[in-house]
Amino acid sequence: SQTIHQWPATLVQPVGSPLSLECTVEGTSNPNLYWYRQAAGRGLQLLFYSVGIGQISSEVPQNLSASRPQDRQFILSSKKLLLSDSGFYLCAWSETNQPQHFGDGTRLSIL
Amino acid sequence: GQQVMQIPQYQHVQEGEDFTTYCNSSTTLSNIQWYKQRPGGHPVFLIQLVKSGEVKKQKRLTFQFGEAKKNSSLHITATQTTDVGTYFCAGRLWRSGGYNKLIFGAGTRLAVHP
Repeated sequence: SQTIHQWPATLVQPVGSPLSLECTVEGTSNPNLYWYRQAAGRGLQLLFYSVGIGQISSEVPQNLSASRPQDRQFILSSKKLLLSDSGFYLCAWSETNQPQHFGDGTRLSIL
Repeated sequence: GQQVMQIPQYQHVQEGEDFTTYCNSSTTLSNIQWYKQRPGGHPVFLIQLVKSGEVKKQKRLTFQFGEAKKNSSLHITATQTTDVGTYFCAGRLWRSGGYNKLIFGAGTRLAVHP
């Protein structure tokens, strides 16, 4: 069966520091991969999606970036974090046009 | 741009009362999905509706997809405390020859008082 791993679960970072969140999927090949951000008590904002290795689409302008160095690995990065980057970051995978399956998420607090 | 509007934003009910959340899209959808997010957790897929006018049931949950494939609803009969959480609809847009985007509604947060 397919599984999705996302880490770390919680992260506290100072303003201006770099960020790297990692997500890996097991049990499937060539999945669609997604990064979402959820502000407290709010909905899901799609940040990036990828339909294949090296293929990244950005949904909103921001100081974050994403990379897909391997088929089942999706990384969310920033060179310098802002206070506004705080939130709950969720990675998800899906087959094409099928339901999405989410990881446990990373709670990011910027101080 | 394309949007999926979801109402209400928040609802609290007494245990045993019914609950309904509604989604409306500005454009025709290919399909619509529903997810539930428990407090502190991640969204979990509940169901997908594809056909115009489709109705599906999961125990006390009834999901409907409108005839025009622009709206959908989730109805919970006789709520229980285990129903607490945020319910999201997500509409799949249809684009030929490309990635078919999934757009999430803002969610309806359900509180159930025992």
